[in-house]
Amino acid sequence: NAGVTQTPKFQVLKTGQSMTLQCAQDMNHNSMYWYRQDPGMGLRLIYYSASEGTTDKGEVPNGYNVSRLNKREFSLRLESAAPSQTSVYFCASSMWKTNTEAFFGQGTRLTVV
Amino acid sequence: QQPVQSPQAVILREGEDAVINCSSSKALYSVHWYRQKHGEAPVFLMILLKGGEQKGHDKISASFNEKKQQSSLYLTASQLSYSGTYFCGTEGKETSGSRLTFGEGTQLTVNP
Repeated sequence: NAGVTQTPKFQVLKTGQSMTLQCAQDMNHNSMYWYRQDPGMGLRLIYYSASEGTTDKGEVPNGYNVSRLNKREFSLRLESAAPSQTSVYFCASSMWKTNTEAFFGQGTRLTVV
Repeated sequence: QQPVQSPQAVILREGEDAVINCSSSKALYSVHWYRQKHGEAPVFLMILLKGGEQKGHDKISASFNEKKQQSSLYLTASQLSYSGTYFCGTEGKETSGSRLTFGEGTQLTVNP
């Protein structure tokens, strides 16, 4: 049982380059999330998808786009990377209102130079 | 809309107790607590759903006051393994689906 799988684990981009972070879960969860974690800032919600076919902005959506490709996969795209997007990105999934935890991927450490 | 955690940091000696607080400005459906070790993903500790409910996990317990939109995490007889950053996550009473939002974290250090 893999849980939540994120790829890649590490990435270095040049300013202005684009990339997509991939996330897949095999737990049949309906809700999926993307967070960024910066020192002292906690986990800030970028975008979330409450169910397949829906996506909504979180607290810090600027500079990002997402796609809920199907129930398993939720990708995060940086169209034109900026140094301010240097961060650790976590994908997570959960089953809404089933009294269960959110499961996290292992994170992607992104550096934009 | 992030929940507010306090304190930001705590330093304990092994065996001491600590309380971490979490409060929200919006009506809550649930409160989650997670612990994160350096360089790792957050790990689930517990979830609280009802007003005044307390749950326990080893010597770690938590309460949730739904009316005050507050939760507290209690760590008793702390162990070295308790060191890490603790996050509370909150789900509001949205009808359209889950939106899990986290606080800024409380860094807990347990020294021998």
